[in-house]
Amino acid sequence: GAVVSQHPSRVICKSGTSVKIECRSLDFQATTMFWYRQFPKQSLMLMATSNEGSKATYEQGVEKDKFLINHASLTLSTLTVTSAHPEDSSFYICSARSSGAQETQYFGPGTRLLVL
Amino acid sequence: GQNIDQPTEMTATEGAIVQINCTYQTSGFNGLFWYQQHAGEAPTFLSYNVLDGLEEKGRFSSFLSRSKGYSYLLLKELQMKDSASYLCAAMDSNYQLIWGAGTKLIIKP
Repeated sequence: GAVVSQHPSRVICKSGTSVKIECRSLDFQATTMFWYRQFPKQSLMLMATSNEGSKATYEQGVEKDKFLINHASLTLSTLTVTSAHPEDSSFYICSARSSGAQETQYFGPGTRLLVL
Repeated sequence: GQNIDQPTEMTATEGAIVQINCTYQTSGFNGLFWYQQHAGEAPTFLSYNVLDGLEEKGRFSSFLSRSKGYSYLLLKELQMKDSASYLCAAMDSNYQLIWGAGTKLIIKP
């Protein structure tokens, strides 16, 4: 079964509004979560790495003021797309890395965002 | 329920051929993806199959049988740099990705 969930699975919003996407690890505590963006048939583009209790680390070219990430607990990270525009329409995927002797990365099902 | 199964780990020899299998059960089906992920890096897209059959792309090929809920990734002429995790993901009727846990491929000289 799924070990990482995302909510919502799809969202349609008007240009200029903000959208929050949640990523939850269901059966484990994740000190690190990752946020990716995927365009059709392309590789996942890492947007940022989120560590519980600290500020996220953003990849080059990703606007931290536009894509707000909060990792308030060991099982929840949120990505807020602020003032969304049509070019932000994409498939957003999170992953969570379990801690322990054998670190494993589990991916979420993705959130499809359409900005009109 | 929805489920993806793939082997946890495989070992192969440089120059050889390896086949990584993936079986899936999803609510509806909108295609199957294979990704390669090196440690500490984002997954790299390898292939997408939505119709039955084999698709070849250089040293990598991917096969899909929708009736059997089965796919495989075939890697030929293995190189040391092919050591990585290979992720299988199926897209369901809601366009949600169901991920396998990944197969760690170890290449030995």
